[in-house]
Parts: sequence; C-alpha cells; structure tokens
Amino acid sequence: DSGVTQTPKHLITATGQRVTLRCSPRSGDLSVYWYQQSLDQGLQFLIQYYNGEERAKGNILERFSAQQFPDLHSELNLSSLELGDSALYFCASSVERYEQYFGPGTRLTVT
Amino acid sequence: GQNIDQPTEMTATEGAIVQINCTYQTSGFNGLFWYQQHAGEAPTFLSYNVLDGLEEKGRFSSFLSRSKGYSYLLLKELQMKDSASYLCAVLDSNYQLIWGAGTKLIIKP
Repeated sequence: DSGVTQTPKHLITATGQRVTLRCSPRSGDLSVYWYQQSLDQGLQFLIQYYNGEERAKGNILERFSAQQFPDLHSELNLSSLELGDSALYFCASSVERYEQYFGPGTRLTVT
Repeated sequence: GQNIDQPTEMTATEGAIVQINCTYQTSGFNGLFWYQQHAGEAPTFLSYNVLDGLEEKGRFSSFLSRSKGYSYLLLKELQMKDSASYLCAVLDSNYQLIWGAGTKLIIKP
C-alpha cells in the first residue's frame, strides 16, 4: 500500500459525459501528479500540482482540467468524453524531487 | 527533445539473470528511477541512481553511467512474479520526470 488513495476504482460512462476522479496523496507529500495509461501503452504525464499551485503540464487535453485543494487532495475533471479517453488514470504523490508513489488507479471506460 | 529508450519486450527463463537497458537524452539530469508495473496495477518504485555506479538491493541492482547517458536494471534469480513491465524515468534539469515507454519482461518456466 503506497498511501495514495484514488476513487472511484472503476467508472463506466457514456460519450459526451463528464467525470471527476479524486486523489488523496500520502501524508506530508505536497506534490500530486496525474497520469493516463491506455491499454498496453506507457504512462502519459498529464499535470502536476505542488501545494495547490500548478507546477508542470504535460500532454493534457483542453477537455481535461485538474486542481489541488487546501487539504492537498486533488481532482481530475474529464469532460466531453470520447471513446479514446478510456484508460487507467493514476495519481502519484511525492516529496518534491524524490520518488513518486502511485495510487491504485481509476479505470475509466467510455461507451 | 527529450528521449528515453528501452527495449519493448524481453524474455528470460526462471532462475536466470536478465539485464534491461535504458538510454536517455534529456535536458539536464537529476537522477534516474526504475519502476516495476504489473499489468493493470500501479507502478512501484524499485531504485534511484544519481551517481555513477552500481546500487544493489536484494535480487535487483541498478547501474548508471552519466557520461554515456545509460542505465541498466539487473534482475537475478528470476521468479515468475518478476513478469512485469519495467519503467525507466529521468529527472531533468527542471526536476520533471521523463518516462520511458517501459520494457515488458516475460519469464518462462
């Protein structure tokens, strides 16, 4: 158990819908990262937050947005969903500049 | 651009030794990580190298040569449970983690 929690574990929704994924980092970690992993693909970095502020942006679509709240939990919002958005979404947290610890992921299926 | 190369897939035999290579070209270097990821599960941290040389941790060892932009992960006494993907990632000059696509390791009895 990495100490990072993600909810929900599974999510099935229809095209055009909007969903919110939630992540709680390890106690004491200020950085939160979001990743997308499609079937048999590598990790695609989406976005990083550090202590509530956006720190780095990767290949995040405009339909996707995220935020980190004062209690350091983070949410990833995915809107106007398409079939190609079906993937595993991982959240990770870290003490800045050190190894990242990953949550169990949310498996999103868009039908 | 930034680039990390790893073999896509490797096969090895239970009980044997396997070496997974990683070469990188990044803007700056602040360390290299290896992660293990079983299918459908989260990546888990294996090792971190920032200085040249070999770091040993049980059956797993990781080597780094900064001048060559090269690292390898060595797995000894392979077990069936070692079947997984192994991800190489480099921390660049902005302390951003650049990920390789991963090497899928298949262990045969």
